[in-house]
Amino acid sequence: IAGITQAPTSQILAAGRRMTLRCTQDMRHNAMYWYRQDLGLGLRLIHYSNTAGTTGKGEVPDGYSVSRANTDDFPLTLASAVPSQTSVYFCASSDSGVGGAFNEQFFGPGTRLTVL
Amino acid sequence: GQNIDQPTEMTATEGAIVQINCTYQTSGFNGLFWYQQHAGEAPTFLSYNVLDGLEEKGRFSSFLSRSKGYSYLLLKELQMKDSASYLCAVVDSNYQLIWGAGTKLIIKP
Repeated sequence: IAGITQAPTSQILAAGRRMTLRCTQDMRHNAMYWYRQDLGLGLRLIHYSNTAGTTGKGEVPDGYSVSRANTDDFPLTLASAVPSQTSVYFCASSDSGVGGAFNEQFFGPGTRLTVL
Repeated sequence: GQNIDQPTEMTATEGAIVQINCTYQTSGFNGLFWYQQHAGEAPTFLSYNVLDGLEEKGRFSSFLSRSKGYSYLLLKELQMKDSASYLCAVVDSNYQLIWGAGTKLIIKP
């Protein structure tokens, strides 16, 4: 593994089904993030984790949950998918900066999810 | 509310110079990022400004004026591979990234 990976690359899902998007990084970054990207809108933060064992809600958390059992993995779960969750999902990670500095985020290749 | 404004689309000619503007209104400011995103790919980091002024990095430069809530990305000697979306993002007072919708840059021969 080099950098940050996501799986699956794409998925078509029936409404009401449960789905987990996987994200793994090998850079030992403390912070990880999940975004969704929709046409005409900026990246919107769903959930984040500043360090293993902690998570927080972003701008659009409803219908999604995350866990951060270890440094490397940050899965995103849709408990019961709805068509409005059709989107491209990006996972990202960043290192904690000195004195709280905000470092650049590195993005995974994305998962294209279609909910029918 | 928090707001990041960028033009939706711009067109430029290969070899020319283009300036992509970004204005922001956010709760606090802890820096501004520019990312490049080719179609169907992930965003990649271009620059970070936290102090006023111009940061130059090869063909790309980024400028920040905190008093005006304004930044621009300047691309020189445009190449066809520069065709992409350019995303402006501001770090707010809670150290969250607020993203603009992006500017799609089309380069013509």
